This record gives sequence, C-alpha cells and structure tokens, in this order.
Amino acid sequence: DQQVKQNSPSLSVQEGRISILNCDYTNSMFDYFLWYKKYPAEGPTFLISISSIKDKNEDGRFTVFLNKSAKHLSLHIVPSQPGDSAVYFCAARSYGGSQGNLIFGKGTKLSVKP
Amino acid sequence: EPEVTQTPSHQVTQMGQEVILRCVPISNHLYFYWYRQILGQKVEFLVSFYNNEISEKSEIFDDQFSVERPDGSNFTLKIRSTKLEDSAMYFCASSMESGANVLTFGAGSRLTVL
Repeated sequence: DQQVKQNSPSLSVQEGRISILNCDYTNSMFDYFLWYKKYPAEGPTFLISISSIKDKNEDGRFTVFLNKSAKHLSLHIVPSQPGDSAVYFCAARSYGGSQGNLIFGKGTKLSVKP
Repeated sequence: EPEVTQTPSHQVTQMGQEVILRCVPISNHLYFYWYRQILGQKVEFLVSFYNNEISEKSEIFDDQFSVERPDGSNFTLKIRSTKLEDSAMYFCASSMESGANVLTFGAGSRLTVL
C-alpha cells in the first residue's frame, strides 16, 4: 500500500541544469507535504515543505509545486550543484494525524554531474 | 547546529536476543519518534512519544517493541526478541512542538539480526 510514490528511483542531471523530482500520492486526506534529503550514513534532513492550501513554495534554489487535483507534487532544484547529489524523499501527513507520523516515499537518488 | 545522536551506529545480534537502541534528541524538543528503513524500502513510522507516553504507533510497533525516556536526555527503543525481519536502519527523530512538521533525524542505527 504505497500512499506516497516516487516512481523514479534515480535521476542524473548536469551541474547548472534543473533537477525535477516527482512524487504522487493517493490519500486525499494528506494536508502537508515535505521533502527530505539524505546523504549516505546520515539521517534524512528537512529540505522544504508545502501546505495543501498552497500550490507553490520557494526557498532559494528549491521550489516545491503541488497539484492537488492530480495528487502530484514536484521538487525543482535550480541550478543543480554536485553537492545536491543525495537521495530525496517525499513525505506526507494526513489531516488530523499525528504531526510526526509521516508517510514517506521510497526516495529518488539524484546524481548531479560536474 | 543541534543534532539528534544515536548509538550504536551498527549492532549485530542473534535472532531472539534483546536489543536497545539509544537516542539523544535535541535538548529543547518535546516530541520524539522512531522510524525504520528496511534495506531498499521506504522509511516507515514506528512510534511517537510525548509527555512520557506513546502518542501514536503504527501496526509495525507490536508487543515486541517498547520505548522509554529513562532520564531527561535519552530516548530508547527496545526490541525484546529480535527476528530476522527486524534487520533495518532505525532512525530517531525529534521536534519542538505540536503542529511542527519538521522532524530532525539522527544518523540512524543499523541493526543486523542473524
């Protein structure tokens, strides 16, 4: 039962170009979405989030877009840097659910080549 | 920058043995969590803890699991009788307040059950 799906296990992008990571969800009760980044031998690190009442949130090079009708969100990284190479997890929380009970996707491994 | 610390980084145990994984959350955080990631799978919520009691747990968190905050700084996860399928990376996380969706994760403890 994959409520949060990241269908691309990996993505390779040239330095300076845009990275687009995609995430689909099935539960219409999700009201908050987050992206976490994970380097090897480290825990997930919070990157950016978006509430379901918004369709875009931007923080520096990172922008998250939410399309509620399509139950789809994406993370854009512009410009991509080699240090962005990591596994990116999409996560979601249900409305009324515990604020710590996040449903994660399986992750997308991003490789940014110099 | 404050961080969540976990020990041990890697533990190997025999099936049926008890294991205790330790975590030191960020000092002013009030909410504590355990997640796990089986190799190649998604990060899964196990349990959340607040005010010295479990606030939510997943179906994974059965009677073999328990959590405790034995003092003012540590937060532990105990697995009473380990099974092969308990082999995973276990992540501790903490957050400051209710409604705050940003969890700070530790680097994880890798448990290998033989």
